Amino acid sequence: EPEVTQTPSHQVTQMGQEVILRCVPISNHLYFYWYRQILGQKVEFLVSFYNNEISEKSEIFDDQFSVERPDGSNFTLKIRSTKLEDSAMYFCARGQAMNTEAFFGQGTRLTVV
Amino acid sequence: RKEVEQDPGPFNVPEGATVAFNCTYSNSASQSFFWYRQDCRKEPKLLMSVYSSGNEDGRFTAQLNRASQYISLLIRDSKLSDSATYLCVVIPSGGSYIPTFGRGTSLIVHP
Repeated sequence: EPEVTQTPSHQVTQMGQEVILRCVPISNHLYFYWYRQILGQKVEFLVSFYNNEISEKSEIFDDQFSVERPDGSNFTLKIRSTKLEDSAMYFCARGQAMNTEAFFGQGTRLTVV
Repeated sequence: RKEVEQDPGPFNVPEGATVAFNCTYSNSASQSFFWYRQDCRKEPKLLMSVYSSGNEDGRFTAQLNRASQYISLLIRDSKLSDSATYLCVVIPSGGSYIPTFGRGTSLIVHP
């Protein structure tokens, strides 16, 4: 049973387009995270979200990215003007606190062509 | 300078073997440590947290050595199903809690 549900499982988009990746937490946790993993590379933290606002973000999370929890349930990651190098697995995760373990969704594979 | 380092392997061991992985970290202020396993093209799954006193969960034992700044994972009686990549995760303290993942150690258990 996944800790969070992510949609879509695979998204193909043209360079320059905007994509929205979605995450629905199964249980009631306070912290949500987005991570990415470029093929063959390590998992990288993008952003954490707590109480409907960004708690921390990494250097990767620049103006091209944004997160929202528009309806109090779904948690989205928007990537504007996608580039080829944005192709990666994007994982949503949830947790109890920033310094505790995170539980990952099954990921969205983003392919930018 | 890499913040979290792991031997990428692969570690190729027979069923029943005992295998150990280490993970070194550079930030001495790190406070939380975890081992995850990741199967090919799947999400990371929490294997175990690593406590200062060391902890064991069945065939898996995790240890923390703060003085030398490394954590370890020991797997006893390896099973074919243990074949995966094992990721070390370190979370700092003091202002930022951004976790850093290692690149993972690949384990292949063969019959």
